Amino acid sequence: DIQMTQSPSSLSASVGDRVTITCRASQGISSNLAWFQQKPGKAPKSLIFAASSLQSGVPSKFSGSGSGTDFTLTISSLQPEDFATYYCQQYKTYPLTFGGGTKVEIK
Amino acid sequence: EDQVVESGGGLVQPGGSLRLSCVASGFTFSDHYMDWVRQAPGKGLEWVGRNRDKANRYTTEYAASVKGRFTISRDDSKNSVYLQMNSLKAEDTAVYYCTKTGTHTFDIWGQGTVVTVSS
Repeated sequence: DIQMTQSPSSLSASVGDRVTITCRASQGISSNLAWFQQKPGKAPKSLIFAASSLQSGVPSKFSGSGSGTDFTLTISSLQPEDFATYYCQQYKTYPLTFGGGTKVEIK
Repeated sequence: EDQVVESGGGLVQPGGSLRLSCVASGFTFSDHYMDWVRQAPGKGLEWVGRNRDKANRYTTEYAASVKGRFTISRDDSKNSVYLQMNSLKAEDTAVYYCTKTGTHTFDIWGQGTVVTVSS
């Protein structure tokens, strides 16, 4: 199975900050990576697919990059509605696997 | 608007069975793979399994943790996908999400249905 490791597991940031979350795959997955946002008590929401493509309706303050084993999700200017947990997920091979999540909290 | 809505969750005893349903609307259901993803209380996301579309003969994939106990099926005439869960264990307790797979991976998620396995 491909293991997905996110770092950090949590972070504190202020409104307006630029935030970067990393995700590392245990083996190469090309660009077969997605990012999801989940707010407490809510279903996950798809943000990014193919490592860097925004889902329809997702604001451009979110961006993704990377290929192979190392990936990043960047939020250019953190807003109150962005405080949530973020997950990466690989869809290169079965079983499909998620990272452990990164909780973004208010400083 | 693309939407999926789950139902069928509840409390079940260890060793018991439960069938979850997911009804889709707003998109051509028969053209899409459908997946189930779960989240145990306070934990992260875990993929459960996939049902491919008619073009791919409705074939399925499962996580090792549920293979042999869970079965995913679909009825395109009802725009529905199902998760039959047998031999349930306490560790199957989770919110179960139905998801639509778009061009690449999950793009639409339902609100989830809660399954609790306890005596």
